[in-house]
Amino acid sequence: GQQLNQSPQSMFIQEGEDVSMNCTSSSIFNTWLWYKQDPGEGPVLLIALYKAGELTSNGRLTAQFGITRKDSFLNISASIPSDVGIYFCAGIQGAQKLVFGQGTRLTINP
Amino acid sequence: GAGVSQSPSNKVTEKGKDVELRCDPISGHTALYWYRQSLGQGLEFLIYFQGNSAPDKSGLPSDRFSAERTGGSVSTLTIQRTQQEDSAVYLCASSLRGTGPYEQYFGPGTRLTVT
Repeated sequence: GQQLNQSPQSMFIQEGEDVSMNCTSSSIFNTWLWYKQDPGEGPVLLIALYKAGELTSNGRLTAQFGITRKDSFLNISASIPSDVGIYFCAGIQGAQKLVFGQGTRLTINP
Repeated sequence: GAGVSQSPSNKVTEKGKDVELRCDPISGHTALYWYRQSLGQGLEFLIYFQGNSAPDKSGLPSDRFSAERTGGSVSTLTIQRTQQEDSAVYLCASSLRGTGPYEQYFGPGTRLTVT
């Protein structure tokens, strides 16, 4: 099925560093979402973006909805150990079914 | 309040057997979704229920897969004649309504292993 192109696939960083990941698509999406998934759990919504060009923050997280509606990025500032996990972007085109990226696995070295 | 619950949490089955996976959505949520997550992959949409409307089955990979939602609440995903490629984590989500930007809340998933 259709998927978003998410990069990087994995990141290994030092605690305190900033993190950046992004998603691109050949299709337009009306809504972009960023989720975090911990082992053995379902994804949890971090940030939702509803307008092209929108820049939204949630604590140390900042995400933007690309002006073309075909891309989005997520930044995490000053990473901490609990940021470890898999981050997924997801897009909604019409109805509410989500199209997901392949995920970015974040590992933090203390 | 209680979140989305799924059962069983793990299921190991032999190739060719049928399996049923259960999802209890958040009370009052009218929209319910099933997704499949293969190892190291993102989530793949399977099926979507909204109220009493006909479900959107466009993501079901084959006719061996079916789902129903009884009484607008609990849902069961059935996989007949399981194959090894069906091994994955099956995730259920619910949202308040199926239209508009309503957040989807996910359950912990059922890990299915077909031997």
